[in-house]
Amino acid sequence: AQSVAQPEDQVNVAEGNPLTVKCTYSVSGNPYLFWYVQYPNRGLQFLLKYITGDNLVKGSYGFEAEFNKSQTSFHLKKPSALVSDSALYFCAVRDPVYLSGGYQKVTFGIGTKLQVIP
Amino acid sequence: KAGVTQTPRYLIKTRGQQVTLSCSPISGHRSVSWYQQTPGQGLQFLFEYFSETQRNKGNFPGRFSGRQFSNSRSEMNVSTLELGDSALYLCASSVGHNDYEQYFGPGTRLTVT
Repeated sequence: AQSVAQPEDQVNVAEGNPLTVKCTYSVSGNPYLFWYVQYPNRGLQFLLKYITGDNLVKGSYGFEAEFNKSQTSFHLKKPSALVSDSALYFCAVRDPVYLSGGYQKVTFGIGTKLQVIP
Repeated sequence: KAGVTQTPRYLIKTRGQQVTLSCSPISGHRSVSWYQQTPGQGLQFLFEYFSETQRNKGNFPGRFSGRQFSNSRSEMNVSTLELGDSALYLCASSVGHNDYEQYFGPGTRLTVT
């Protein structure tokens, strides 16, 4: 069964410093990977995805993520954190359809709270 | 283009009652998924519909059911409510399935007393 782990409940970073939010996954084949962000009292917003191709994926709001197959990781990064980046971040994974022949559900991590300190 | 809308936004029910939540996807999106979000469990997948057919189901009891209409709008029903059903229920739509990103609605906050 597929799974996603976000090992840190909370990440604190000073404004202007680089940030990393960690995600590791477990699937039976090559995964489809996603990052979403949830701001207070708002729904989740899509940030970026990895399907195939370049291991470094660029997304919204200056975020990027690096797919590392050997380490089964998909860490979210940003070179310079903003106070407005403070939110709850979710990593998600879906098994590719060609393995199952059907539709695979998305599995979300538990979420990591990012706190950017002014 | 309008986003995903969910109604109602807030709901208070008592144990044993049933509830129906509604989700209107983004125009042109054919896939609708439902999730339950709680502080302790995060986002738990309920089910996914595509072209009016349930394509996937999560590990929830049969009290949780759903359907999708020909215009892609979806409803979720929970019967015989329990206190533990109190949660934020999120609906997400996507153009297709699998490698497509999902667009989430604001959620329906259900409180069971």
